[in-house]
Amino acid sequence: DAGVIQSPRHEVTEMGQEVTLRCKPISGHDYLFWYRQTMMRGLELLIYFNNNVPIDDSGMPEDRFSAKMPNASFSTLKIQPSEPRDSAVYFCASSFETDTQYFGPGTRLTVL
Amino acid sequence: AQSVTQLDSHVSVSEGTPVLLRCNYSSSYSPSLFWYVQHPNKGLQLLLKYTSAATLVKGINGFEAEFKKSETSFHLTKPSAHMSDAAEYFCVVSDSGGYQKVTFGTGTKLQVIP
Repeated sequence: DAGVIQSPRHEVTEMGQEVTLRCKPISGHDYLFWYRQTMMRGLELLIYFNNNVPIDDSGMPEDRFSAKMPNASFSTLKIQPSEPRDSAVYFCASSFETDTQYFGPGTRLTVL
Repeated sequence: AQSVTQLDSHVSVSEGTPVLLRCNYSSSYSPSLFWYVQHPNKGLQLLLKYTSAATLVKGINGFEAEFKKSETSFHLTKPSAHMSDAAEYFCVVSDSGGYQKVTFGTGTKLQVIP
């Protein structure tokens, strides 16, 4: 398997623009997670899905953030409008049932 | 509620000497515990995991960790450090019972001196 795939790997945008991050989980995995990593706050869980249904979005910082999982092989994390403080590395991870989470390579987002 | 504390933010060792990265956890249930490694500008890679089987867990690249319930610890060790071990290491706890919400430690940066 190719592992968890994220795109783009790097994104530079200007404040106020919409940003969409994409994730393809490992085939057969039924859980999908979005994390954010910053120097100040470390790794934070933003939201996770089980069988395409959002289970816990308590980590989503604001209404500007939204996540969807239209099918088992694709998820998006959208920020609209983006702000400089959203600059971070965003990771997607997937797992099967309650087993180990496998992480993608991350998307480095820079908001100017 | 669950939590994890990595006792050292930075650890520096000489190449060929032992590595010890410390982790203490708090959990209301029987926890699953993990160590992940993150090399610069890379994603997180699973090193090893404990899920209530053997208390001494062996992982990749010569790393191992011992689950000590009485001490609520899950320290990561390696007998001999290699330059390629320089990275950041995260201890992670997950309460069992079907929940997938895990808690990450703040990370320990390992420096290996030639």
